Amino acid sequence: KQEVTQIPAALSVPEGENLVLNCSFTDSAIYNLQWFRQDPGKGLTSLLLIQSSQREQTSGRLNASLDKSSGRSTLYIAASQPGDSATYLCAVGSAGTYKYIFGTGTRLKVLA
Amino acid sequence: ETGVTQSPTHLIKTRGQQVTLRCSSQSGHNTVSWYQQALGQGPQFIFQYYREEENGRGNFPPRFSGLQFPNYSSELNVNALELDDSALYLCASSVTNTGELFFGEGSRLTVL
Repeated sequence: KQEVTQIPAALSVPEGENLVLNCSFTDSAIYNLQWFRQDPGKGLTSLLLIQSSQREQTSGRLNASLDKSSGRSTLYIAASQPGDSATYLCAVGSAGTYKYIFGTGTRLKVLA
Repeated sequence: ETGVTQSPTHLIKTRGQQVTLRCSSQSGHNTVSWYQQALGQGPQFIFQYYREEENGRGNFPPRFSGLQFPNYSSELNVNALELDDSALYLCASSVTNTGELFFGEGSRLTVL
């Protein structure tokens, strides 16, 4: 049974800092992995999708990496800004199923 | 391009009642998934529809049911509401070749 864990649960950093959010999963037979951002009371905004055959994806100040063998993904945010404050969720799509398993998220606060 | 839209945004029901939530898929997306997100938790997979057929189901009782229509829009129905059904219900559409999920803003259900 796939389980997804995100560490840390919460993070507070000063503006401008580079930071790394971690996501680990127990079953390496994944189809893909997706990172999302969620603002309070809102839906999820897709940030990056990494297919199982890929090692990383980049979009602007965001870079996500995937290491299936160790069951880990990291989301790197460069030069953080107060507007980056949100909860970041990773979701793992397992091979042979149609569902994504989500972590409980990392709540990020970037201080001005 | 129109994104995923959900209605209603908020609703309040009493225990034992029934509720129907609606979702319009993003243009060109043929697959719809529904997730339940309790406060402070990651989303939990309810079920997925593809070509008007249920394509996979999570660990939810039969009183959670759904439909997908020929235009790919979808409904989530919950019968005999319980207090624990209070949550944010999220609809996501996707295309089968990438599996990338695109979420709506959600429907916030409160059961009293």
